[in-house]
Amino acid sequence: AQKITQTQPGMFVQEKEAVTLDCTYDTSDPSYGLFWYKQPSSGEMIFLIYQGSYDQQNATEGRYSLNFQKARKSANLVISASQLGDSAMYFCAMREGHNNDMRFGAGTRLTVKP
Amino acid sequence: DAGVTQSPTHLIKTRGQQVTLRCSPKSGHDTVSWYQQALGQGPQFIFQYYEEEERQRGNFPDRFSGHQFPNYSSELNVNALLLGDSALYLCASSLKVAVEQETQYFGPGTRLLVL
Repeated sequence: AQKITQTQPGMFVQEKEAVTLDCTYDTSDPSYGLFWYKQPSSGEMIFLIYQGSYDQQNATEGRYSLNFQKARKSANLVISASQLGDSAMYFCAMREGHNNDMRFGAGTRLTVKP
Repeated sequence: DAGVTQSPTHLIKTRGQQVTLRCSPKSGHDTVSWYQQALGQGPQFIFQYYEEEERQRGNFPDRFSGHQFPNYSSELNVNALLLGDSALYLCASSLKVAVEQETQYFGPGTRLLVL
């Protein structure tokens, strides 16, 4: 069963604007972690941000923030002040507390326009 | 501080051959996970090694095997290669903590093409 869903195959954003990349997840485990990774065309997966299921506040890392809505099982990534270098594939992933297997979504290709 | 390194970067093999991919974890990390990423898809978990043992395995056949060495580096072996094994193989390292908090850091990957 698909545990991570990213419904936006591609997104466009104007440079310097903010963009939200959607991610919904499915789990019955009360303990889990949510992760976002960036994958440029070079292939390397770059860790961006982590949110734990018990965290009370939304995670932030520089221009990245995670809009965590636990009841809706969503963990959207917000990128503020987009830069041309933000153009890449973005993957949402989840680790359940009992599981070493990190599940990834299908990804969203973000293109930043000058 | 060296990140995760993988070798080789690219590899071309023919059907039926065997391949070995190598990974050195980020300094201070003790756990290595391997993923297969087919073109246009998200990574799929192959297996994870910790304390030189396979701790968990994804839905991959026995043709995929691995090893972790005392220095925490790891190898992924694939026997009897099929065309469908063509993919980007990613290694990720982490420090074993509470599972859901364990952040994995990825290497640049090995692109395998099976002809």
